[in-house]
Amino acid sequence: GAVVSQHPSWVICKSGTSVKIECRSLDFQATTMFWYRQFPKQSLMLMATSNEGSKATYEQGVEKDKFLINHASLTLSTLTVTSAHPEDSSFYICSAAGSSNIQYFGAGTRLSVL
Amino acid sequence: EDQVTQSPEALRLQEGESSSLNCSYTVSGLRGLFWYRQDPGKGPEFLFTLYSAGEEKEKERLKATLTKKESFLHITAPKPEDSATYLCAVQARGATNKLIFGTGTLLAVQP
Repeated sequence: GAVVSQHPSWVICKSGTSVKIECRSLDFQATTMFWYRQFPKQSLMLMATSNEGSKATYEQGVEKDKFLINHASLTLSTLTVTSAHPEDSSFYICSAAGSSNIQYFGAGTRLSVL
Repeated sequence: EDQVTQSPEALRLQEGESSSLNCSYTVSGLRGLFWYRQDPGKGPEFLFTLYSAGEEKEKERLKATLTKKESFLHITAPKPEDSATYLCAVQARGATNKLIFGTGTLLAVQP
């Protein structure tokens, strides 16, 4: 099956610092990658969609300068939370889709900003 | 506006007690309906994709069905390891693979 690796699984940082999260498709080429945010006991909220080699498309209300997305290759996308603040604390999950329209998800990253 | 509603929000079953989860949807042209399983603190795990009304898919104790307005996830003789949150999502035509998720059903199966 399709495997998506996400790192780190858990990160704690100080307010004002930046955090980078990596998402890799291990056994398929991901033409499109997605970044979601999930609050406790709530469903997944799409933040942005990225295609390899092009700029990400952000959902309404998501600050593109706050959440920097880079999709440099067909197997790697990164999300950088810049100048993180406590309100950015959340569970961030990436997914990847290849030639099929099925999204396969990473294990998620728990971000805690102190 | 495309929308997905799941019910019930939570369901508690005894081991072996079969039941169904519901996913009602409104979408401007359905490309696909997806079921995922999510364990606490983990990312969703893909279960099924359904593309047209009348389609059914099975995997072990799970069976997903689709009509023009809703999908059901039937769980036959569940085991405690089936406990998880089950998420339903729809993909509209021309939506560049974007998924719209429901809020999920939290299933607890007691031994």
